[in-house]
Amino acid sequence: GESVGLHLPTLSVQEGDNSIINCAYSNSASDYFIWYKQESGKGPQFIIDIRSNMDKRQGQRVTVLLNKTVKHLSLQIAATQPGDSAVYFCAERAPRGYALNFGKGTSLLVTP
Amino acid sequence: DADVTQTPRNRITKTGKRIMLECSQTKGHDRMYWYRQDPGLGLRLIYYSFDVKDINKGEISDGYSVSRQAQAKFSLSLESAIPNQTALYFCATSDLMPGLEDTQYFGPGTRLTVL
Repeated sequence: GESVGLHLPTLSVQEGDNSIINCAYSNSASDYFIWYKQESGKGPQFIIDIRSNMDKRQGQRVTVLLNKTVKHLSLQIAATQPGDSAVYFCAERAPRGYALNFGKGTSLLVTP
Repeated sequence: DADVTQTPRNRITKTGKRIMLECSQTKGHDRMYWYRQDPGLGLRLIYYSFDVKDINKGEISDGYSVSRQAQAKFSLSLESAIPNQTALYFCATSDLMPGLEDTQYFGPGTRLTVL
């Protein structure tokens, strides 16, 4: 079946460095993608989204890149801070779909 | 998110007991969802509702039921709890507006343990 997966289950970066979290998806019909951040003891928090007719979208310190050719999604965090430590999930949605298909998550650890 | 609240936040119960988890939202959204989160498995959809009269099964609805009491309230019930229903449960809401995406916003979660 279709799936959303993450290349790395854990990522450790130093404070101030840039972080890149990757996600592979297999449903070529998916038209909408979201990145969520989940801190310990909290629910997933929306970070940034992108539609399939775009290949890049920027937010505050975050950038999402979409490569439909290889079905790859990435989240870039600039100047990573301790408060960025969390689990990051990518999610995809099929056209006219309702449900988000979540990946298993990448744990980002920011060290001083 | 304070806009989406869940009660209780933690619950320990015994096998065979009936449990209800409640979700309330002040976002004014029509759509509400219940997800389950297990370690290493991400979030999986249990049930969803697009309005008060609409209830739909998700990926893993067996052993669960829901009730949409009002636009703002969506409850999840475990009719007879079993240990493998031990998990984190999240409620989410969304609203499909013209020209905008149907982004889902999550509550803080309920940690349920079934002994």
